[in-house]
Amino acid sequence: DAKTTQPNSMESNEEEPVHLPCNHSTISGTDYIHWYRQLPSQGPEYVIHGLTSNVNNRMASLAIAEDRKSSTLILHRATLRDAAVYYCILIPSGGGADGLTFGKGTHLIIQP
Amino acid sequence: GAVVSQHPSRVICKSGTSVKIECRSLDFQATTMFWYRQFPKKSLMLMATSNEGSKATYEQGVEKDKFLINHASLTLSTLTVTSAHPEDSSFYICSAPRPPSGYEQYFGPGTRLTVT
Repeated sequence: DAKTTQPNSMESNEEEPVHLPCNHSTISGTDYIHWYRQLPSQGPEYVIHGLTSNVNNRMASLAIAEDRKSSTLILHRATLRDAAVYYCILIPSGGGADGLTFGKGTHLIIQP
Repeated sequence: GAVVSQHPSRVICKSGTSVKIECRSLDFQATTMFWYRQFPKKSLMLMATSNEGSKATYEQGVEKDKFLINHASLTLSTLTVTSAHPEDSSFYICSAPRPPSGYEQYFGPGTRLTVT
């Protein structure tokens, strides 16, 4: 699996936007960019995924660089419940039947 | 609501005993499920792929005789930690691909195992 690089931790204030970066310079043309998050003492949960175009859903937005070598997960208005470890994972096309390879992720701290 | 459940949520056992953890998909069938292990302040590590009707596939370094996996039905996979030791204490998490594409994984809430 192509490697991703994320900052170990980030801190933000409640009700402010949060931009979580992910570098994936060795991404292949058919790799999808997935984001999962893990709240304390829980299993991970899916957040969003994309291939080339920016994506929006009820949880977040995903901005993908034109060269696809980096992406940014955007939480538009962070709440205390968004405090979690966020994982950026590359999944090859057709790789939906494979287990996920988790990196270290970014520990997001939200200050009230 | 939860789409993948695990039971028990936490278990404490004595060294040398075996512990069974169940992973169930709710409202959908899963021919494949995955088992992960997570040590404190570490990331999840894939242990094995559970296949309904066939043998599980284990990741390198995971002992198949120690971590027995049985995928008896399309909604249930079990992980049995045999002859558990304190170093097996960990957070065990299962997942199942969301149908139909399988791209999104549904994760269970995890099982906290403590071996004394």
